[in-house]
Amino acid sequence: ELKVEQNPLFLSMQEGKNYTIYCNYSTTSDRLYWYRQDPGKSLESLFVLLSNGAVKQEGRLMASLDTKARLSTLHITAAVHDLSATYFCAVGLNTNAGKSTFGDGTTLTVKP
Amino acid sequence: DAGVTQSPTHLIKTRGQHVTLRCSPISGHKSVSWYQQVLGQGPQFIFQYYEKEERGRGNFPDRFSARQFPNYSSELNVNALLLGDSALYLCASSLEAGRYGYTFGSGTRLTVV
Repeated sequence: ELKVEQNPLFLSMQEGKNYTIYCNYSTTSDRLYWYRQDPGKSLESLFVLLSNGAVKQEGRLMASLDTKARLSTLHITAAVHDLSATYFCAVGLNTNAGKSTFGDGTTLTVKP
Repeated sequence: DAGVTQSPTHLIKTRGQHVTLRCSPISGHKSVSWYQQVLGQGPQFIFQYYEKEERGRGNFPDRFSARQFPNYSSELNVNALLLGDSALYLCASSLEAGRYGYTFGSGTRLTVV
């Protein structure tokens, strides 16, 4: 059974600082997703990573994938308050189209 | 373009009742997935439908069922509701087996009392 672990689960950081969220998964996968969720809201897709070494960046967020280590990272650069949210990684397989296994999420709070 | 739409947005039901939740995917998306999100946890996969056929089922009891219609919209049905079924139910649609990602609807908040 595929397991997805995120750490840390809670992260409080100062504006302007950098930090990385880690996502480890237990079995081979060919797709990795990152989502953002604001309180009481749905999931917003951030990144889709499909191959080893894939790196994608959007604003202050950068995601990478190492399929050999079964690890994805979400790096936050020069955090701002608007980035405060819960971030989920999810792992899928092409053979299980539609099924993604989610981590428990990382709740990020950016303080001024 | 309209995104993934779900209805209703909020629902309160009594234990033992049944509920039907609805989802309309993005135009052109033939795949619909359903997830249950309990407060403080990540979403848990319930079902996936593609071209009106069930392609995946998560670890949920038979009280949960779903179907997809010719227009690719979908319904999730839950019978004999339990207090533990209280959650946010999310629908996601995708263009091609998730290769381009999934778009989630705003969800249905179900409260069972």
